[in-house]
Amino acid sequence: GAGVSQSPSNKVTEKGKDVELRCDPISGHTALYWYRQSLGQGLEFLIYFQGNSAPDKSGLPSDRFSAERTGGSVSTLTIQRTQQEDSAVYLCASSLGQGGWGEQYFGPGTRLTVT
Amino acid sequence: DQQVKQNSPSLSVQEGRISILNCDYTNSMFDYFLWYKKYPAEGPTFLISISSIKDKNEDGRFTVFLNKSAKHLSLHIVPSQPGDSAVYFCAATGNTPLVFGKGTRLSVIA
Repeated sequence: GAGVSQSPSNKVTEKGKDVELRCDPISGHTALYWYRQSLGQGLEFLIYFQGNSAPDKSGLPSDRFSAERTGGSVSTLTIQRTQQEDSAVYLCASSLGQGGWGEQYFGPGTRLTVT
Repeated sequence: DQQVKQNSPSLSVQEGRISILNCDYTNSMFDYFLWYKKYPAEGPTFLISISSIKDKNEDGRFTVFLNKSAKHLSLHIVPSQPGDSAVYFCAATGNTPLVFGKGTRLSVIA
């Protein structure tokens, strides 16, 4: 079956512009996660959606970052007034959400470059 | 403050030999550990996991060992194959968001 998909695969934007990154999780997966990976770093948790519960936003680095998940499926991560330090690969993952933070299925990521 | 550390950024192993990737953690609340493998331009893929109630979990060529007293886990791959060449991430959770290490790049040389 289809895996997690993300779009665009690459995005170059000017400092100060807003960007939207999209994630389509695996059908039937109730949990959705956003991470980012900066150069030479591990994956950094950003936000987590589980079903209809309020999202866990504890990883968002600033109020310029926000995410929503419509209809329990597709999610959009929005970065407002982008800064050069926002340059990273943004990864989305989904899971069956059976409890805990176990096995997650990742998309290929969106490489964001802020010039 | 890095809660999950992979101190070796890279490792080279000959085909057929054993690869051992190490991971240390500091948070004693972590009770579930995972290894992910990542190829270039792809997202990480789940490889193997272990609960803190166990000290070993095996799946084919892959075995993960957990030493809770030392807060250390390791991934053994034997025999190593060229297709195993990738970046390996260790991750940990204690019913919290996954905390990832920075990864170890494994190169298996034919």
